[in-house]
Amino acid sequence: DAKTTQPTSMDCAEGRAANLPCNHSTISGNEYVYWYRQIHSQGPQYIIHGLKNNETNEMASLIITEDRKSSTLILPHATLRDTAVYYCIVRGTGTASKLTFGTGTRLQVTL
Amino acid sequence: KAGVTQTPRYLIKTRGQQVTLSCSPISGHRSVSWYQQTPGQGLQFLFEYFSETQRNKGNFPGRFSGRQFSNSRSEMNVSTLELGDSALYLCASSLGTAQSSYEQYFGPGTRLTVT
Repeated sequence: DAKTTQPTSMDCAEGRAANLPCNHSTISGNEYVYWYRQIHSQGPQYIIHGLKNNETNEMASLIITEDRKSSTLILPHATLRDTAVYYCIVRGTGTASKLTFGTGTRLQVTL
Repeated sequence: KAGVTQTPRYLIKTRGQQVTLSCSPISGHRSVSWYQQTPGQGLQFLFEYFSETQRNKGNFPGRFSGRQFSNSRSEMNVSTLELGDSALYLCASSLGTAQSSYEQYFGPGTRLTVT
C-alpha cells in the first residue's frame, strides 16, 4: 500500500471550512484514497473515498489532484463535534479489508 | 441496524495470562477485522476473517490468534500476555465484497491493561 503524509495537527474555527491535506505521491493507478476519522477513544469512522474524481457526501468533500499525488478532505462547516484525528489511507481494490493507518491529522475545532 | 459490539469494554490482566475478546459484527456482514491501537505504534492491523477463514494477517507474533464462527461473530485471543500488549483492541466489520470492503464499521473497542 502507498504511504501517505499528513500534517500532524490543524486548527479550524467553528462554522468555517476545514481543509485537510494529504500527500500520496507514490499512489498506483488502481489505488483509492480513503478518509476515516477517530473521535477520542472511539472506533474510527468511515468518511469518504475516491479514485480520481472529486467526491461529495453528507459528511465531506474529497478533492483529488489531477496527477492523484495529493488530495484534500473538506468539511464545509466544521463543528466542535468534528474535533478528531483524521486519517488518509491509500489502498488498492480487492476483497482484503486491511487498512494501513498512518499518524493522521489532529483537527481541533474551536469557538 | 445495530452497530458493531465488542465485549468486554475494559479488561485488566496480569502478565503471563491469556485473554479472549469478542466482536459481534453488523448483521449481514461477513468480514471481521481486528486492529490494535497503542500510543507508540498507532493503529495496526492484526487479521481479518471472512466466512470463518482467515483472509489476511498483519505482522504480529503467534501469541495473537483469532477465529470466526458461522454467525460471523469473531473472537481474538492473546496468550502469554506481555506489558506491551496493553492497548485498545478494535474490531471492524464489512460486507467483505470487493465493492464494499472500503467501508468498514468499527466497534467501540476493548481497552486491555496488562499489569
